[in-house]
Amino acid sequence: DTGVSQNPRHKITKRGQNVTFRCDPISEHNRLYWYRQTLGQGPEFLTYFQNEAQLEKSRLLSDRFSAERPKGSFSTLEIQRTEQGDSAMYLCASSLGTKNIQYFGAGTRLSVL
Amino acid sequence: DAKTTQPPSMDCAEGRAANLPCNHSTISGNEYVYWYRQIHSQGPQYIIHGLKNNETNEMASLIITEDRKSSTLILPHATLRDTAVYYCIGSQGGKLIFGQGTELSVKP
Repeated sequence: DTGVSQNPRHKITKRGQNVTFRCDPISEHNRLYWYRQTLGQGPEFLTYFQNEAQLEKSRLLSDRFSAERPKGSFSTLEIQRTEQGDSAMYLCASSLGTKNIQYFGAGTRLSVL
Repeated sequence: DAKTTQPPSMDCAEGRAANLPCNHSTISGNEYVYWYRQIHSQGPQYIIHGLKNNETNEMASLIITEDRKSSTLILPHATLRDTAVYYCIGSQGGKLIFGQGTELSVKP
C-alpha cells in the first residue's frame, strides 16, 4: 500500500505525558498537512509543510505542539504535557501539484486520561 | 473566506441517485471546490474536485453553478457502502477548510 501511513493508530496516555505521532506521506509528495478532528466535527487545519519548510501554523497549535519534517520526507507531531482537551483524531495528508488534492492517512486517535 | 454550508443529514434509497447540495458563496474565484467523504473512524477519502466546469469520475459527478456559489455532488447509484459523512470543502492558501458535512444514510 503506497498511501499515507500514520503510526500509531491509537495512543492512550496520562495527562502531562508527552506523545509523538509519525506520518509517512505518499512518496514524492512535497506537501504534508496535519489536521485535528474532534468527535462530531470536521477536521481542522493545524500546520503544513512544503518539503522540509513549515509554512503555516494554525493558532490551534499551542506552544505545546511541535511538528517537524526533516529531509522533506516523513513528519512527526509532538504534543508536550498533554491535556484532556488534546484528545482527538490527528490526521495527516499529503499532496503534489497545483490542484493540491490531499490524500489522508487513517489517523492517530489520542486519548488523554 | 472558504466557508461552506451543507444540510446536516440526508437519506437515500439503495440504487437511487444521491444528490448532495453545498453552498459556497464565499469561495474565491480561483480556488477549487473539493468533495471528500469519511466513513466512521477512517481518514477522509477524496472524491472529486472542480473549479468552474462540471466534472465526472468513476466515483461521482460534480455540478457547479455558473456563479460558483453552489455545487451538487451526485452519486449515481448509491450503495450501502456509500453511507458516510460527505464534506464539501473550500481551500485557503492550500489548507482545506472543512465544515460539518452531510451525513448520508443509504437505506435498503
